[in-house]
Amino acid sequence: NAGVTQTPKFQVLKTGQSMTLQCAQDMNHNSMYWYRQDPGMGLRLIYYSASEGTTDKGEVPNGYNVSRLNKREFSLRLESAAPSQTSVYFCASRSLTGSGTEAFFGQGTRLTVV
Amino acid sequence: AQSVTQPDIHITVSEGASLELRCNYSYGATPYLFWYVQSPGQGLQLLLKYFSGDTLVQGIKGFEAEFKRSQSSFNLRKPSVHWSDAAEYFCAVGASGGGNKLTFGTGTQLKVEL
Repeated sequence: NAGVTQTPKFQVLKTGQSMTLQCAQDMNHNSMYWYRQDPGMGLRLIYYSASEGTTDKGEVPNGYNVSRLNKREFSLRLESAAPSQTSVYFCASRSLTGSGTEAFFGQGTRLTVV
Repeated sequence: AQSVTQPDIHITVSEGASLELRCNYSYGATPYLFWYVQSPGQGLQLLLKYFSGDTLVQGIKGFEAEFKRSQSSFNLRKPSVHWSDAAEYFCAVGASGGGNKLTFGTGTQLKVEL
């Protein structure tokens, strides 16, 4: 059972370059999330998608765009990378069938912007 | 708006001592509450969750947490800490509506002295 799969695991970008972080889940979850983790800041929500066809901004959306391609996939795009976007990015998914349930996380993407 | 506060950035305990990690939340209705653990370089693993019923919940690895509505708290406890418990711990609050947003605290880094 793969769970939540993120690609790539590591990436180095030059300032101004663009890239897309991919995330896929095989648990038939409705909701998907993108977080960034920085030392001392915890996990901050970038964007989330409550269900297929919807996306909403989180706490730190500037400089990012997302696409909920289908129920399984939720991608995060950096159009013009900046050093401030150096971080570890986590994708998560969550089902809300029945009672509230926990989020399942991918292993993260370590992004460095130089 | 929902939020989570973890007032302790770092905590150091001796192996075998008891542990309590604090978590305070802000949410308008009955929240879904979670504790996650992250070992260095790893993703996040769920320790336990609360969304209704008994206010004392048991989790994995001998952890438990108590939901106190009057104090808006969900503190994590363990009676006897093991060296392998050294990690970063995150408290999170999940919305039951409003897009199913999931918000994390800034984390508490636990160090265990042998």
